[in-house]
Amino acid sequence: DAKTTQPNSMESNEEEPVHLPCNHSTISGTDYIHWYRQLPSQGPEYVIHGLTSNVNNRMASLAIAEDRKSSTLILHRATLRDAAVYYCLSSGAGSYQLTFGKGTKLSVIP
Amino acid sequence: DTGVSQDPRHKITKRGQNVTFRCDPISEHNRLYWYRQTLGQGPEFLTYFQNEAQLEKSRLLSDRFSAERPKGSFSTLEIQRTEQGDSAMYLCASSSTGYSQPQHFGDGTRLSIL
Repeated sequence: DAKTTQPNSMESNEEEPVHLPCNHSTISGTDYIHWYRQLPSQGPEYVIHGLTSNVNNRMASLAIAEDRKSSTLILHRATLRDAAVYYCLSSGAGSYQLTFGKGTKLSVIP
Repeated sequence: DTGVSQDPRHKITKRGQNVTFRCDPISEHNRLYWYRQTLGQGPEFLTYFQNEAQLEKSRLLSDRFSAERPKGSFSTLEIQRTEQGDSAMYLCASSSTGYSQPQHFGDGTRLSIL
């Protein structure tokens, strides 16, 4: 699994888009990029994952750089409930183990 | 929607005692995982089951730790002779089989060692 690097913290205003960056320069061609988030006193929650193409779901969008060395999680309109620690991870094809770093703590300002 | 359920949510015990935690995964999921999380850190992988078979154990899982999943449904994690360093949040997750399937986590059991 490739090492990922994220900023320790970010702030966003409520109802504005948020772009959370992640660097994964050592990622291999078959490693998936995953994003999870963790609200206080809860377990991590799956957000989105992708391999090469940009991905969208009801929670967020994932933009993957063409060289796959970085990606960005996009929350289109931040709400107070989006305040959480966001983890970017990579995992090998068929891998079952998730390796979490310290993540990015997102604060949303009303 | 029944997610992953963990019991108890909190456990306080004295050093040296044994503790057991239970995890009920999402019913159709045949993969089950245990993680440990200490304050300010991300979760760390402990062990993984596919059905009833324990297929991988982390080096973090000392011989005081044992996990079971007897019928491929719920799982238990037991810690014997607890130590101060065992104080953490113990998280369970489950997923279906398949390529890079997302893991669904419970809200964990917080263990405090007095």
